[in-house]
Amino acid sequence: EIVLTQSPGTLSLSPGERATLSCRASQSISNTYLAWYQQRPGQPPRLLIYGASSWAPGIPDRFSGSGSGTDFTLTISRVEPEDFAVYFCQQYGSSPPYTFGQGTKLEIK
Amino acid sequence: QVQLVQSGAEVKKPGASVKVSCRASGYTFSNYYIHWVRQAPGQGLEWMGMINPSGGHTNYAQKFEGRVTMTRDTSTSTLHMEMTSLRHEDTAIYYCAREGTIFGVLMGNDIWGQGTTVTVS
Repeated sequence: EIVLTQSPGTLSLSPGERATLSCRASQSISNTYLAWYQQRPGQPPRLLIYGASSWAPGIPDRFSGSGSGTDFTLTISRVEPEDFAVYFCQQYGSSPPYTFGQGTKLEIK
Repeated sequence: QVQLVQSGAEVKKPGASVKVSCRASGYTFSNYYIHWVRQAPGQGLEWMGMINPSGGHTNYAQKFEGRVTMTRDTSTSTLHMEMTSLRHEDTAIYYCAREGTIFGVLMGNDIWGQGTTVTVS
């Protein structure tokens, strides 16, 4: 089973600042099958990025994903008020179980 | 539009079983795998397993093998997840989620149900 470790656990920023979230895998993720999700309180997760760096439909381009192998990053170029939420990474597509990271909470500073 | 609509909240006693439903609409039912994911109160996301609606083949996380059964009804485009021998720690929101594809590339879970709260008490 691939274990995903996200850091930091909590990220405190002001609107307009740049956010950098990390996701590290215990073994290499094939075909860059790494996704990022946003979850706001009381809502299901929303797919932001798939294939490590591709935008899901309708996702603003201030969100970007990068990385390969075992190290992946989600970047929000300028955080908007609606971006304060919890973010999860997930490996999928080739080796079940399709595990999630434990999440990073982006909170208002 | 493409959507997954889940059944309502459930309250069960320890040792009982629960069956959560997920009705798909707006797309070709048999073309997309459906995953089940749960989230305990204040916790992260836990992948439970998946089902191929076309042939009914399933793949469960080891933790849930023998206690969870995922099925589908192609006549109503509905997926079901049944869990037996419920324990207090099974209290969670249970989500169904579609495994999306775009130009043949897997996307992860692009469409999610609204979630079904299961309380074991």
